[in-house]
Amino acid sequence: SQQGEEDPQALSIQEGENATMNCSYKTSINNLQWYRQNSGRGLVHLILIRSNEREKHSGRLRVTLDTSKKSSSLLITASRAADTASYFCATDDSGFQKLVFGTGTRLLVSP
Amino acid sequence: DTGVSQDPRHKITKRGQNVTFRCDPISEHNRLYWYRQTLGQGPEFLTYFQNEAQLEKSRLLSDRFSAERPKGSFSTLEIQRTEQGDSAMYLCASSLGTGEVVGYTFGSGTRLTVV
Repeated sequence: SQQGEEDPQALSIQEGENATMNCSYKTSINNLQWYRQNSGRGLVHLILIRSNEREKHSGRLRVTLDTSKKSSSLLITASRAADTASYFCATDDSGFQKLVFGTGTRLLVSP
Repeated sequence: DTGVSQDPRHKITKRGQNVTFRCDPISEHNRLYWYRQTLGQGPEFLTYFQNEAQLEKSRLLSDRFSAERPKGSFSTLEIQRTEQGDSAMYLCASSLGTGEVVGYTFGSGTRLTVV
């Protein structure tokens, strides 16, 4: 089963624009993570935000977390064609030692 | 260490045959995970090892699936009597930790096609 749901399912933007994708989850968490997956490849860890944090930055990435709404957002600023990929949120299954992944957002950045 | 390695990258097999996949995690990582991903979906958890102990198995993992991690190093995932519904990308990931679930390092996956 998949805990998270990303929104939108697909997003198409031009280079230089910002991309925002959202994730909703169902149960209490210790942390939430975002991953990127290029077509046909494995996933790459982007950023981790803990349940007691509200916002975190890493380069062009900004992640927010609202535990009261059980939601998170990932903002990619000044997007590049190389950012074209699927993006997944993942939550630790509280009490268990594994990540549960969402359904993903497919991002297309056109030159 | 060049990251998590999975072998083979692609496997085409006939329905009813057995297949085995191998994963070599990052050497110092004590946790190893197997996930399955179908087209357009996120990875679904299959099973997880801490060192050589298999600590959790998903209900998705039928009796036809078995995983091992001898000596807490590499891991194998075997599927017996494959079915067309087993066609998917099988992803292996590893991480270091004893408490909080930290970021995973994934391999490139093994794409299985059952014909």
